[in-house]
Amino acid sequence: RKEVEQDPGPFNVPEGATVAFNCTYSNSASQSFFWYRQDCRKEPKLLMSVYSSGNEDGRFTAQLNRASQYISLLIRDSKLSDSATYLCVVIYTGGGNKLTFGTGTQLKVEL
Amino acid sequence: NAGVTQTPKFQVLKTGQSMTLQCAQDMNHNSMYWYRQDPGMGLRLIYYSASEGTTDKGEVPNGYNVSRLNKREFSLRLESAAPSQTSVYFCASRVEDTSYEQYFGPGTRLTVT
Repeated sequence: RKEVEQDPGPFNVPEGATVAFNCTYSNSASQSFFWYRQDCRKEPKLLMSVYSSGNEDGRFTAQLNRASQYISLLIRDSKLSDSATYLCVVIYTGGGNKLTFGTGTQLKVEL
Repeated sequence: NAGVTQTPKFQVLKTGQSMTLQCAQDMNHNSMYWYRQDPGMGLRLIYYSASEGTTDKGEVPNGYNVSRLNKREFSLRLESAAPSQTSVYFCASRVEDTSYEQYFGPGTRLTVT
């Protein structure tokens, strides 16, 4: 089983739709969680951190469920510019604070 | 600030050839990383350097060597390239003490024939 798993998609949604992605992780000792965004043929960039209490940044909401070992990303009112691959990232402090990346979920927002 | 820069952007090698991928950051970050990204595999850590003068193996170090030349520069060397090393290589850096956010370079697309 992979340490961090994501549905690769693609998720094809119309502009204005709400879409949600989940990411599961296998190590219950995981400490920190993030969502990165990667545009086609570009480098990954931090989208947002995921806190235990959940956090929101504009149209984006991230949630953590430690009991079920998953994190989620909700995007409301999708824009064409949201089309990208969303990478789930987990840090295990026992693993030298190295980041473990999921393979990513591809989102395509269409007119 | 340029952030994290990588050279070259593209490279084609024949099996057995060697090359060095260069990475530099101007953000005064302590930690630097080399990843490879392959379809369906996600980003995998090759080597990292927590500070100048130190390097450690990541998940997939075989076939690679690294040098942390100074605080700014972290190079990745392929001594004898193999087709299995065809990939996109990303360098990244972060401020160790305050944030887990990593800043990535634009990547090097390497093809080994």
